[in-house]
Amino acid sequence: GQQLNQSPQSMFIQEGEDVSMNCTSSSIFNTWLWYKQDPGEGPVLLIALYKAGELTSNGRLTAQFGITRKDSFLNISASIPSDVGIYFCAYKTGANNLFFGTGTRLTVIP
Amino acid sequence: EAQVTQNPRYLITVTGKKLTVTCSQNMNHEYMSWYRQDPGLGLRQIYYSMNVEVTDKGDVPEGYKVSRKEKRNFPLILESPSPNQTSLYFCASRLGTEAFFGQGTRLTVV
Repeated sequence: GQQLNQSPQSMFIQEGEDVSMNCTSSSIFNTWLWYKQDPGEGPVLLIALYKAGELTSNGRLTAQFGITRKDSFLNISASIPSDVGIYFCAYKTGANNLFFGTGTRLTVIP
Repeated sequence: EAQVTQNPRYLITVTGKKLTVTCSQNMNHEYMSWYRQDPGLGLRQIYYSMNVEVTDKGDVPEGYKVSRKEKRNFPLILESPSPNQTSLYFCASRLGTEAFFGQGTRLTVV
């Protein structure tokens, strides 16, 4: 699969701060997905994006499908301790596979 | 409750001793897959299956086998495990863009 680069690799933030992370690729995609992995668990889907420029929210989370279709952004507002975990971006290929990025590890300091 | 169940959760084995990690889903999904998660590398797909008796290689299939004799089960087989297969393994079943992951199997090969 195509490589997905996530930035930053890890973040340490204070509770209450806003968080921003992104995912980039050299290829164009039709679907961008954001998953979260809680410590000791499997990843869970947070947000799915299907159209360039699309902005979608899920509670305090907001994700955007980049206009170029080569990137996506995830923002978390007013972080809380349970936001801790690893955030993965992913895309779905034409062959119906899911490929994941390298992940952004978020630590929230109370 | 909809779920993907992997067993065992933890396994320590010796090089060369064949092992099987089981995966079962109760959602009647056609698509199932196996991933391994390593620090800094994210989730990498090992094998996937689009339906019963249909399996195909993912990005890192070397050293692994799978079978899909029935829709609900998708075991991962390591015929001769080696230390570089020490990793955290996830099974997932999928409907559309939403993948449902098991809780993971942490494998150590010594």
